[in-house]
Order: sequence, then structure tokens, then C-alpha cells
Amino acid sequence: KAGVTQTPRYLIKTRGQQVTLSCSPISGHRSVSWYQQTPGQGLQFLFEYFSETQRNKGNFPGRFSGRQFSNSRSEMNVSTLELGDSALYLCASSHGTPPTETQYFGPGTRLLVL
Amino acid sequence: GNSVTQMEGPVTLSEEAFLTINCTYTATGYPSLFWYVQYPGEGLQLLLKATKADDKGSNKGFEATYRKETTSFHLEKGSVQVSDSAVYFCALTAGINFGNEKLTFGTGTRLTIIP
Repeated sequence: KAGVTQTPRYLIKTRGQQVTLSCSPISGHRSVSWYQQTPGQGLQFLFEYFSETQRNKGNFPGRFSGRQFSNSRSEMNVSTLELGDSALYLCASSHGTPPTETQYFGPGTRLLVL
Repeated sequence: GNSVTQMEGPVTLSEEAFLTINCTYTATGYPSLFWYVQYPGEGLQLLLKATKADDKGSNKGFEATYRKETTSFHLEKGSVQVSDSAVYFCALTAGINFGNEKLTFGTGTRLTIIP
């Protein structure tokens, strides 16, 4: 079974631009979660989508948004990029229903904001 | 809220040494506990998990036991290899209640194994 895939793997943007990251979950998984990983803050939860609905949200500004499509693929958007948005963005998928809540991660998208 | 406290790194060991990475947690309800590993330049891989008290998760020679009385989930391996060099993250989810898929992570412990 194919794993979680994320595109693109690397991105370079400048301040003020916006960016869209994509995540394709494992087949059959309906939940997609997004995490931001930085050296200073570690791994932080952004949001989770289940069946096209945002079910859970972390403590990030409104510049960070996401959506999920009917095929469970998800996109994450960051508008008006800031230098501090430079990070590895990880997507994880799971079945999304108890008790099989184990999350499986993709390789991540590394975003550099200049 | 939920939190995970992990042993500070980095940890450097010789090959075939015994490994322990400490992890304690604070959570309401009945959390599930996980260890994830991150190799250089990669995403996170699930190493093992335990979903209820006294469960032991194991994989690739690594073990961890869910201790509710001490709120701990320490990672152990009897004989480490160079290929075990990576960053290890302890994490929890809030439990099996619907809608609680958020993982809370520890800060990570960088492990380096010297031949």
C-alpha cells in the first residue's frame, strides 16, 4: 500500500507571497492532519480534516488554512508569508475513527521563506 | 492541557550499548502513547505504540511500556546499532474519543551511535 505523499518536497518563497502544499493520504484513510516542525518550536499541530470537515485546529494565525477534498487529499495554504514560516510541514493520515487512530506521516515539504 | 516531557539530548552511545530514552506525560482521560523516529531529511516513522495501561509496544528491538502509575513511556533497546542514529519523539493522542486526532509531541531526543 502506498504511503502518504506530499508535494512539493522543497519550496523557496519570499515574504508576502502565499504558498499551497498538497498531501495525498494512504488509501482508505479519511483523516489528514498537518504539523509544522521548526528547530525552535518543535512539532506543532496545525489542523486536522476528516471527511472534508475541519475537526480540530491548533493555535496558529488565520494565515494558515487548509481544506480536504472528497478523495481525502488535502491542501494547506499559507498567505502573506513571514520569515518565521520557514519550516518542515508534515502531513499525516489515519483512519480517523477509534480505535485505529495511529497517524502515518509523509516525508514533508520543506519551505524556506526569504 | 496535554504535554509530553522527553529526555534532553543529544545522546551518544557506542554500538551494542543499552539505550533508554525517558518520556513522561500529562494528559486527561486515557491517552494513547507513541514513539516516532525521524531519520535525517525524512518525515516521521511510527516506531511503536501502546493504547492502554500496561501495554508494551515493541518493534525492531525497541520496547516501551505504558505505565499509568508513573505516567511514563520510556523507550529501551538492549543493543543499539549505528543505523539507529536518528531523532526519537515521544507523543500522545488524547484518547480514542472521536475527534481527538491531535498528536502532542515531546521535544525529541537526538541519538548518535558510534561504531
